[in-house]
Amino acid sequence: DADVTQTPRNRITKTGKRIMLECSQTKGHDRMYWYRQDPGLGLRLIYYSFDVKDINKGEISDGYSVSRQAQAKFSLSLESAIPNQTALYFCATSASQGNSGNTIYFGEGSWLTVV
Amino acid sequence: AQKITQTQPGMFVQEKEAVTLDCTYDTSDPSYGLFWYKQPSSGEMIFLIYQGSYDQQNATEGRYSLNFQKARKSANLVISASQLGDSAMYFCAMRRPSGGYNKLIFGAGTRLAVHP
Repeated sequence: DADVTQTPRNRITKTGKRIMLECSQTKGHDRMYWYRQDPGLGLRLIYYSFDVKDINKGEISDGYSVSRQAQAKFSLSLESAIPNQTALYFCATSASQGNSGNTIYFGEGSWLTVV
Repeated sequence: AQKITQTQPGMFVQEKEAVTLDCTYDTSDPSYGLFWYKQPSSGEMIFLIYQGSYDQQNATEGRYSLNFQKARKSANLVISASQLGDSAMYFCAMRRPSGGYNKLIFGAGTRLAVHP
C-alpha cells in the first residue's frame, strides 16, 4: 500500500462545480503539501501545512482552499472549478527534522479535468 | 529569485549507456537542498537522489549520481547503464529554506527516452 494516498485518482467535473481531492498518509509526517503540475511547468505549490493548526498559501493558491482535518489528512478543494484548473495534482509529505526531513514523499497524483 | 533551469526538454540514450541530465539553479541562500525526481508515464513522482549544499561529496544512489558543482550552481543527474525502464520525465528541484517547511521549486523537466 502507498504511504501517501490520494483520492480520487481521476475525476472529470463540470465548470462551476465544487470538487475535493483528499490525501492521507501513513508516514507519520507532520508536514503536508498540495502541488499542481501543468505540462512544461514542473510542479507548483498550492498550499502547505506544518500541522493541523497551520495552513499556508503557496505560489498559486487562488481558486483553492485546504483543510487539515488531522495530522494524516490534508484535503484540497476547488470551490468553483474552471477549465484552467485542469491539471495533475499531487499531495506530498515530509518529516520535520532529521535526515528524513530532506525528502518529500509524493502521492500517486490525481488527474482532474474540468469541462 | 530562486529558480531551477533544465535546458534539455528531451534526451535520447542507448540502453546500457550513461546519460547526464542538466540542472542549474539560482539562489542566494547558503543552505539549500537539491533533489531529482522521476515521473514515469503513470504519473507518480519517485524520489531518486538528494544533495545538500554543505555536503562535501557528490550524492550517489545505485545507478544514480549527482554531479554537484556548487560554484557553477549546477546539479546534474548522471544515470549509468541506462535501462528501458528509465524512460520517463525527470525533474530537478530545490528546497527553499523558509522556516523549514521543505517547500520545493521545480524545473520544467527533461523527458528521457532509452532506446534498445
